[in-house]
Amino acid sequence: DTAVSQTPKYLVTQMGNDKSIKCEQNLGHDTMYWYKQDSKKFLKIMFSYNNKELIINETVPNRFSPKSPDKAHLNLHINSLELGDSAVYFCASSGLGETQYFGPGTRLLVL
Amino acid sequence: EDQVTQSPEALRLQEGESSSLNCSYTVSGLRGLFWYRQDPGKGPEFLFTLYSAGEEKEKERLKATLTKKESFLHITAPKPEDSATYLCAVQAWGNTPLVFGKGTRLSVIA
Repeated sequence: DTAVSQTPKYLVTQMGNDKSIKCEQNLGHDTMYWYKQDSKKFLKIMFSYNNKELIINETVPNRFSPKSPDKAHLNLHINSLELGDSAVYFCASSGLGETQYFGPGTRLLVL
Repeated sequence: EDQVTQSPEALRLQEGESSSLNCSYTVSGLRGLFWYRQDPGKGPEFLFTLYSAGEEKEKERLKATLTKKESFLHITAPKPEDSATYLCAVQAWGNTPLVFGKGTRLSVIA
């Protein structure tokens, strides 16, 4: 039974398109995160939500908009995709202040 | 600014050849230091959390230790299935994110 799941696993799209990535966790955690892992495998926080409220918003273009319909879901919508957005996007969840558990990742390729 | 530096970037070991991975950090008040394992095409898998200098944790062939400036991940008699990228991350107190290092890519050759 997958604890943190993401869809889709792969996403190939053209520059300028808008796309969404979905994340769901069944761990009962209050906090969810989006991370970006670039081509050099460097993992960096983008956003964090606690009980549907945004608590961390790192320096990310406003083309990226997270949405949390409930505390088990955190989606990431990206407008006007650019070549530099190509990366692997990971969702994670944790109890407040506790260990973070990661999803399998969504591999985004912008052509 | 919180920072994590991992060394070496890559490490190639023969099966059974023990070694250590290093994670040096600077953080404004350490809440926890985390070790994760990442296999190709997968998400990071949690291994250990260390909270204070002197703390040690073990799991199978892995042992993590912590000082005030660095952490080591010791691998004893590694097997090919231990091949992966090992990521170190720190978290400061408060609603702060994990800050990751760039990882050490470990290859264990049979």
